[in-house]
Amino acid sequence: GNSVTQMEGPVTLSEEAFLTINCTYTATGYPSLFWYVQYPGEGLQLLLKATKADDKGSNKGFEATYRKETTSFHLEKGSVQVSDSAVYFCALSEGGTYKYIFGTGTRLKVLA
Amino acid sequence: DVKVTQSSRYLVKRTGEKVFLECVQDMDHENMFWYRQDPGLGLRLIYFSYDVKMKEKGDIPEGYSVSREKKERFSLILESASTNQTSMYLCASSSSSGSLYEQYFGPGTRLTVT
Repeated sequence: GNSVTQMEGPVTLSEEAFLTINCTYTATGYPSLFWYVQYPGEGLQLLLKATKADDKGSNKGFEATYRKETTSFHLEKGSVQVSDSAVYFCALSEGGTYKYIFGTGTRLKVLA
Repeated sequence: DVKVTQSSRYLVKRTGEKVFLECVQDMDHENMFWYRQDPGLGLRLIYFSYDVKMKEKGDIPEGYSVSREKKERFSLILESASTNQTSMYLCASSSSSGSLYEQYFGPGTRLTVT
């Protein structure tokens, strides 16, 4: 079946460091791909999305490119801030259905 | 802005109690979901509903039931709470129009069963 695999955390970085959080997926068909972020004590909120191969989603300085050839959707940010400390979830939407499949989440801690 | 609210942020219940978790959304969304979130396991789908009175089992429905009598409200019921149901419960909703079915989440209910 379809699945999403994320790198295990926690990831600890200094402020202004470069961030990459890896995400790969297994899916039949053409899923849509998402990154959600969960700040401490809150629910998940959509960070960015991509619907087809080579699409790049971007928001708040974060970017991810839908790579069909490597079945990946890695999250990147050029310069992280303390306020980016959160848990990040990669997810896919099975084509034509309402259901999402989530990765296990990667906790990011940014130190001042 | 879409708003999804959950009835409690924190809840402590005893083993064997019947527990109701309520979720309300204000965007007229057709689809609603209940997940549980556990460390190292991510989000797992318990049940979802694509219309009033309609429901489908997710990946881990055992020990849970749901109710959707009105479009805006989706309830999760633990018929007889057990300690292994201690978890964070997240509700979400999405629209059936368009193609992305973007999900909007509530703040979560942290349930402890003692």
